[in-house]
Amino acid sequence: AQSVTQPDIHITVSEGASLELRCNYSYGATPYLFWYVQSPGQGLQLLLKYFSGDTLVQGIKGFEAEFKRSQSSFNLRKPSVHWSDAAEYFCAAYSGYALNFGKGTSLLVTP
Amino acid sequence: DADVTQTPRNRITKTGKRIMLECSQTKGHDRMYWYRQDPGLGLRLIYYSFDVKDINKGEISDGYSVSRQAQAKFSLSLESAIPNQTALYFCATSGTTGNQPQHFGDGTRLSIL
Repeated sequence: AQSVTQPDIHITVSEGASLELRCNYSYGATPYLFWYVQSPGQGLQLLLKYFSGDTLVQGIKGFEAEFKRSQSSFNLRKPSVHWSDAAEYFCAAYSGYALNFGKGTSLLVTP
Repeated sequence: DADVTQTPRNRITKTGKRIMLECSQTKGHDRMYWYRQDPGLGLRLIYYSFDVKDINKGEISDGYSVSRQAQAKFSLSLESAIPNQTALYFCATSGTTGNQPQHFGDGTRLSIL
């Protein structure tokens, strides 16, 4: 069955530290992949997307993600985290008719 | 104004009541979706519609129904609400190809007592 897995439920990082959020997918072929962020009380905002081509994708707010076919992964990274990055992050893959979401990773940023 | 508007933003109701959540969009998209978010479970698809005459069940459609009144409007109904339908509900829209991202409303927080 098609699935998206985010292994980390919660992650805590210090402000200014680097960040990597993990995402693995299980699909027969490479799906269209997305990362969304959800701030408290808000809807989901698209950070970046991958369809094909360059495996390093740049997004908004200083985020980037790297697609690795051999590992079926699409990990999200940021070199230096800001307190405003504290939020819930969702990885998603297009299932053929809708998005299939991972369960999310909650990011806490400490001073 | 928001591209995808959900009303109400919050609703508290009692078991057995009929509830309607509304979604309207100004993006001109044909595709619309309803998702449900529960803590620790991510978002799960309830229903989706690719145009006014096309309605499809998602993975958790039991206990829900939808109506696509126009290209811009997609409503979700709970015919007889039960407490385990307490959740955050999101409407989303997208263009007609899978590589076009979905755009989400701000959600409706529904509590069923």
